[in-house]
Amino acid sequence: DAGVIQSPRHEVTEMGQEVTLRCKPISGHNSLFWYRQTMMRGLELLIYFNNNVPIDDSGMPEDRFSAKMPNASFSTLKIQPSEPRDSAVYFCASSTWTSPLHFGNGTRLTVT
Amino acid sequence: GDSVTQMEGPVTLSEEAFLTINCTYTATGYPSLFWYVQYPGEGLQLLLKATKADDKGSNKGFEATYRKETTSFHLEKGSVQVSDSAVYFCALRNQGGKLIFGQGTELSVKP
Repeated sequence: DAGVIQSPRHEVTEMGQEVTLRCKPISGHNSLFWYRQTMMRGLELLIYFNNNVPIDDSGMPEDRFSAKMPNASFSTLKIQPSEPRDSAVYFCASSTWTSPLHFGNGTRLTVT
Repeated sequence: GDSVTQMEGPVTLSEEAFLTINCTYTATGYPSLFWYVQYPGEGLQLLLKATKADDKGSNKGFEATYRKETTSFHLEKGSVQVSDSAVYFCALRNQGGKLIFGQGTELSVKP
C-alpha cells in the first residue's frame, strides 16, 4: 500500500499564475478530502468527495479555487489566479466511509 | 455547527512526565473521535480513535476515552519521550462523513 500520493511536494510560483495540485488516493477508498494548513488558521477542510462526487465545498475560500475528481484514483485542486495569501501546505486525505482518514505528505505552496 | 476545541500550546514537558492534552467537542448525533499526530515536515498520522461513548482508544502508550457526558476526548500518556515531540490534533467525524479538526497542540519534550 503506497498510501496517499501527492504531487508536487513543493511548488513555488508567481502571483497570478495557475497552480494545480494532484492527489492519488489509496485504492479502494471512496472518500477524498482536501485540507489547507497555515499557522494562522490551522487545518481547514476545503472540499470533500464521496464516490467522486463533491459533497461539501463550503470551505473553498473563493472562486479562484476549484477541485475535481474525474475518477476514483485521481483528484486535482486548482488555484487560478494564485495570490501570496494562498501560500500554505495543502493536504489530501482518503478513507472508506467508516475508516479513519489517511493523509498524504502534503504540497507546500509558496506564491511570491 | 460541529466543532472541536483543544488546549492551546505549546506544551513543554520533561522526559518521563505525565501528559494531558484536553479536547472537547460539539456535535449533533454520535460522532467518531480521533487523535492525529503530525511530525515536522510530514502529513498527519492517526494515533488513536474511539467510535462510541465510553470507548477507550490507545496506541504507543497514548490513551483517550470517549466521554459523551462531558463531550470530551482528552489525550493522556503516562511517561513522554523526546520522540513524542510533535503537534497533536483532536478531530471528530460527523455522521455526514466530514472530519473536523481542532487547532492543534504543539508538544515539546526536553531530555
